[in-house]
This record gives sequence, C-alpha cells and structure tokens, in this order.
Amino acid sequence: SQKIEQNSEALNIQEGKTATLTCNYTNYSPAYLQWYRQDPGRGPVFLLLIRENEKEKRKERLKVTFDTTLKQSLFHITASQPADSATYLCALDGDSWGKFQFGAGTQVVVTP
Amino acid sequence: EAQVTQNPRYLITVTGKKLTVTCSQNMNHEYMSWYRQDPGLGLRQIYYSMNVEVTDKGDVPEGYKVSRKEKRNFPLILESPSPNQTSLYFCASSPTRLEDYEQYFGPGTRLTVT
Repeated sequence: SQKIEQNSEALNIQEGKTATLTCNYTNYSPAYLQWYRQDPGRGPVFLLLIRENEKEKRKERLKVTFDTTLKQSLFHITASQPADSATYLCALDGDSWGKFQFGAGTQVVVTP
Repeated sequence: EAQVTQNPRYLITVTGKKLTVTCSQNMNHEYMSWYRQDPGLGLRQIYYSMNVEVTDKGDVPEGYKVSRKEKRNFPLILESPSPNQTSLYFCASSPTRLEDYEQYFGPGTRLTVT
C-alpha cells in the first residue's frame, strides 16, 4: 500500500494570500488523485480530481498540480478567505479498483 | 436531497456487544465504502463494495463485517466490539463512471467501546 504524507502542522495564513499544501506518496503512481475538504465533526467533501496524465486542474480559486516524477501533488487556495479554514485531505486510488488511501490531512487556518 | 445517511450518529457500547451501523444513499450509486478516522492516522478504508453482493476488504477489515444486499444500503457490523474500535466512522458512496470515483460522505458515526 501507499505511504501518503501531508504536512501535519497547521498552515496559518492571512486572508488574501495563497495557501499551498503538499501531498507526497511513496510507492506506485496512482491513476488519479483527489482532494477533499473536511470541517470539524463532518464528513469530507470532494473538491477536485486530477488524473496521472494531467499536470494541472483548476476550479474557481483552487488549483491542483500533479507531478508523477516527484510523486507529489500541490493544492493551492488563492485569495484565501476565513471560510476556507478547514482540514484538507488528499486521496489516492489504491492497488485495486475501489481501494482508496487518504492522507492524514493538513489544517488550514485563514485569519482576517 | 442527494445524501448519504448514517445511524446512529453517536454510540457508546461495551466490549463484546454486537452492533450495526447503518448506511444508506439515495443517489443510486454502485460503489459504497466504510472508513474509520483516528487522530493522526487519517481515513482508513475498512471495506468497500463495487455493487450489490460484491464486497472487498480495505486496509483495516479485521473485526468488521459488511453486507450489500441492496444497492442503497451498506451496513457495518461489529460482531464483538473492542476498545480499539473506538473511532469516528464514515460511510461513502460514488458513481462508477469510468474513473470518476468522487466520493460522497455521510455525516459520521462516533463510536465509543468501553
């Protein structure tokens, strides 16, 4: 199975700045990678999916990159707002259809 | 409203007393999955189901059972719960169009085993 690493330390950022989160994996390259947002006490909510043959994906203020050589995905929140404060999880497809593995998540705190 | 529901939301039980956590989705999704979430460990997959009557083990299946008799329901069964199964549990569902495994998560069930 994969070892997935996300920054365990909270990312504190000022409103309006860009938050950048990393997701590193160690073994096989996944066919795709997903990013989710999780608020305290709630289930994760899907944000973006990027496939192995895609370098970059955007959705409104969110941008995801995928570098299969570095085995890394970067998740950017541009023009961050206090409402973006949450924990962000990356998820990779596993070694068989239907299997998934999640990182432990990075907490983002956006201050006004 | 499209959603995944779980019941109960909170449960305190004692070691060895069998329990079932229900999960239901109204989106006609083929795929369903159970996860547990523990501090510092993230979400770990327990079991998943690609369709009715098809279930497979995730990374942490020991101590759990599942069944998928109907498309909409995917209950999680703990035959003999132990304190190390104290955790936050999430059910998720997904359509299986090509590789778009976007997962929709339920609200979670917080289980405490004493």
